[in-house]
Amino acid sequence: DGGITQSPKYLFRKEGQNVTLSCEQNLNHDAMYWYRQDPGQGLRLIYYSQIVNDFQKGDIAEGYSVSREKKESFPLTVTSAQKNPTAFYLCASSNRTSVYNEQFFGPGTRLTVL
Amino acid sequence: AQSVTQLDSQVPVFEEAPVELRCNYSSSVSVYLFWYVQYPNQGLQLLLKYLSGSTLVKGINGFEAEFNKSQTSFHLRKPSVHISDTAEYFCAVSFGRSSASKIIFGSGTRLSIRP
Repeated sequence: DGGITQSPKYLFRKEGQNVTLSCEQNLNHDAMYWYRQDPGQGLRLIYYSQIVNDFQKGDIAEGYSVSREKKESFPLTVTSAQKNPTAFYLCASSNRTSVYNEQFFGPGTRLTVL
Repeated sequence: AQSVTQLDSQVPVFEEAPVELRCNYSSSVSVYLFWYVQYPNQGLQLLLKYLSGSTLVKGINGFEAEFNKSQTSFHLRKPSVHISDTAEYFCAVSFGRSSASKIIFGSGTRLSIRP
């Protein structure tokens, strides 16, 4: 079964700690994305990557970092510089060669700062 | 400027009643259109998409949407809703027709079904 997995499903962090959210896909997609979701605000793009070893900032990249060392993996680190990190985080992927840009989503990680 | 607007943040309806969730966009380029559904604490699942051809698109779970180019709208409809349709619905628009096209999501509409 092809798809996107995110782990963990729930994550708790103390203030001042960095945490890393995992995203893995076996859809053979080149492009991967991280979104942040807050109530009533829809999805906001944090970072995206079109190919391995390359990524670009989205609309709200401050306080976050990513890496793309493998095609299948796109981990997101929430750093202590992110002032309000409590949110639901969604990872997505798409086929870069498709002009439709249809995105496929993982199940999400809910991060809570204590 | 490119934008996607979902006019209703919440839509309450009674079970078995019809529903319409509205989506409008602003664009000077060609678009591809999507509706996604999100159940609580889950990711987004594709309901339907308009890529080309017939402007009336049918999706999963009995939903359909109609692309209206002159009104730049892509409203989602279902003739008779069920309790299991309770979820949040997102309209998404891919602007342009290249692999580098930008996709923008609306702010979502929460559909609540009353028995």
